[in-house]
Amino acid sequence: NAGVTQTPKFRVLKTGQSMTLLCAQDMNHEYMYWYRQDPGMGLRLIHYSVGEGTTAKGEVPDGYNVSRLKKQNFLLGLESAAPSQTSVYFCASSRPRQNRNQPQHFGDGTRLSIL
Amino acid sequence: QQPVQSPQAVILREGEDAVINCSSSKALYSVHWYRQKHGEAPVFLMILLKGGEQKGHDKISASFNEKKQQSSLYLTASQLSYSGTYFCGTEVDSGYSTLTFGKGTMLLVSP
Repeated sequence: NAGVTQTPKFRVLKTGQSMTLLCAQDMNHEYMYWYRQDPGMGLRLIHYSVGEGTTAKGEVPDGYNVSRLKKQNFLLGLESAAPSQTSVYFCASSRPRQNRNQPQHFGDGTRLSIL
Repeated sequence: QQPVQSPQAVILREGEDAVINCSSSKALYSVHWYRQKHGEAPVFLMILLKGGEQKGHDKISASFNEKKQQSSLYLTASQLSYSGTYFCGTEVDSGYSTLTFGKGTMLLVSP
């Protein structure tokens, strides 16, 4: 059971470069989320998706774009990386809230450093 | 607006008890609790739904006071494996289930 898989696990970028983080889940979950985690800040929601072809902004969306072309995949893009985007990025997935008691399942994270 | 967790950090000896609180200024639909060990992903512990229910999982239990919009996580007879950072995630009563996480409470259990 893979659950939620994130690639890559580590990446170092130079300021201004672009990259895409991939999240894949095999649990047939409708909802998917991208968070960033910075020291002392907890997990902050960047973007989320409630189904294939839909995306919405979270708490800290600036500088990021997302796409959900397939139900199982959720991509996070950085068009022009900035040092402030150095962080650990977590992807999560869940069933809809209508199914009560549904937790979010997290991937192992992507550690991104921007120089 | 992030929920407020207290305390920020707790140091315990094995076998001692701890309480971690999570307070929100908004009316909540649910409160989720997760534990994260250093360098790992957050792991789900339990969900509390509005209605003031209490849940238990082994020696870890939680309550949700709907009137106060506050949840508490109780760790009894702590074990070394309980060490980590505990996060509460709160969900307001809207159409989609997005969570807003607190800044976390770091728990260290020593032998």
